[in-house]
Amino acid sequence: IAGITQAPTSQILAAGRRMTLRCTQDMRHNAMYWYRQDLGLGLRLIHYSNTAGTTGKGEVPDGYSVSRANTDDFPLTLASAVPSQTSVYFCASSSTGEGDNEQFFGPGTRLTVL
Amino acid sequence: GQNIDQPTEMTATEGAIVQINCTYQTSGFNGLFWYQQHAGEAPTFLSYNVLDGLEEKGRFSSFLSRSKGYSYLLLKELQMKDSASYLCAALDSNYQLIWGAGTKLIIKP
Repeated sequence: IAGITQAPTSQILAAGRRMTLRCTQDMRHNAMYWYRQDLGLGLRLIHYSNTAGTTGKGEVPDGYSVSRANTDDFPLTLASAVPSQTSVYFCASSSTGEGDNEQFFGPGTRLTVL
Repeated sequence: GQNIDQPTEMTATEGAIVQINCTYQTSGFNGLFWYQQHAGEAPTFLSYNVLDGLEEKGRFSSFLSRSKGYSYLLLKELQMKDSASYLCAALDSNYQLIWGAGTKLIIKP
């Protein structure tokens, strides 16, 4: 693994189904993030984790949950998918604290909920 | 509230110079990022400014004025591959990034 990976690349899902988007990084970054990106709205933060074992809510957390059992993995779960969750989902990671905390992004997951 | 404003779309000619402006209002401020995003791809880091002034990195430069809540990204000697969206993001007091909606830059031959 080099950097940050996401799976699946794309998914079509029936409304009401449960779905977990996977994210793994090998850069030993403390912080990880989940964003959704919709046309004209830019990146919106769903949930974040500043360190393993802790998570926090972002701007649009409703309908999503996350866990951070270890440093490398940060899965995002949609408990019961709805069509408004159709979007491109990006996972990102960064170091924390003062300085240039550049966020590195995964390639994204394109999710369609029908 | 927290807000980032940048133009929705800009058009420029190959070989020319273009300046993309960004204004921000955040709860605290710990720096300003610019990212590039090609269609269908993930954002990639371009620059980070935390002090006032101009940072130059090859054909790309980024400027910050903290007192005015203003930044710009300057792209010189434009190439067709520079056609992309450019995202401005400010780091707030909690070290969370507040993102603008992005500026789509169209380069014409």
